[in-house]
Amino acid sequence: EVQLVESGGGLVQPGGSLRLSCAASGFTFSNYNMNWVRQAPGKGLEWISYITTRNTIIYYADSVKGRFTISRDNAKNSLYLQMNSLRDEDTAVYYCARHNWDDWFDPWGQGTLVTVSS
Amino acid sequence: EMVLTQSPDTLSLSPGERATLSCRASQSVGSYLAWYQQKPGQAPRLLIYDASNRATGIPARFSGSGSGTDFTLTISSLEPEDFAVYYCQQRSNWPRTFGRGTKLEIK
Repeated sequence: EVQLVESGGGLVQPGGSLRLSCAASGFTFSNYNMNWVRQAPGKGLEWISYITTRNTIIYYADSVKGRFTISRDNAKNSLYLQMNSLRDEDTAVYYCARHNWDDWFDPWGQGTLVTVSS
Repeated sequence: EMVLTQSPDTLSLSPGERATLSCRASQSVGSYLAWYQQKPGQAPRLLIYDASNRATGIPARFSGSGSGTDFTLTISSLEPEDFAVYYCQQRSNWPRTFGRGTKLEIK
């Protein structure tokens, strides 16, 4: 069974940092491009970052560019999101999502909640 | 940035009725549009991709149509488990963008 499990969320003060992880299983992680997508409480979905299989192409949404860094470790079947200079508006559930062969987000992990508050 | 506008914001229907959800793109996305379903407390799930293709395991009562800038998700006969929020998403260009969602609620 294909599974994505996020971890690392929690409460952090504005200006702080947090590192999210996404553990993949049930498929050959190194063959798939990956994404992070977030959802603020009661709001819609916002794509924030994409990384190819060998890190050759990385994209960020303007809202996180320069503050967040996506990375992956294919040997550990893991995806990461380093989040620095966090703001109140970064409060959200963060999902990792596999980029499937048809270039869509499928499947998604269950998400991890990040709360930025003093 | 590509803007996707979904309508209506909320759709109130009864089980057994037909649901029609709309997504309009600010510029042509060809057929590069998908629909996702999200239930409370759950992650989104891919329903329809490339405008009209059902994802694996998605029941036949879900169908998608459209191309260019206007797209429709149709649920032919609503089941109780279909009441959820539906998002459209484009992959025509970066950044990938989503619509704001349509909440399908029980009338």
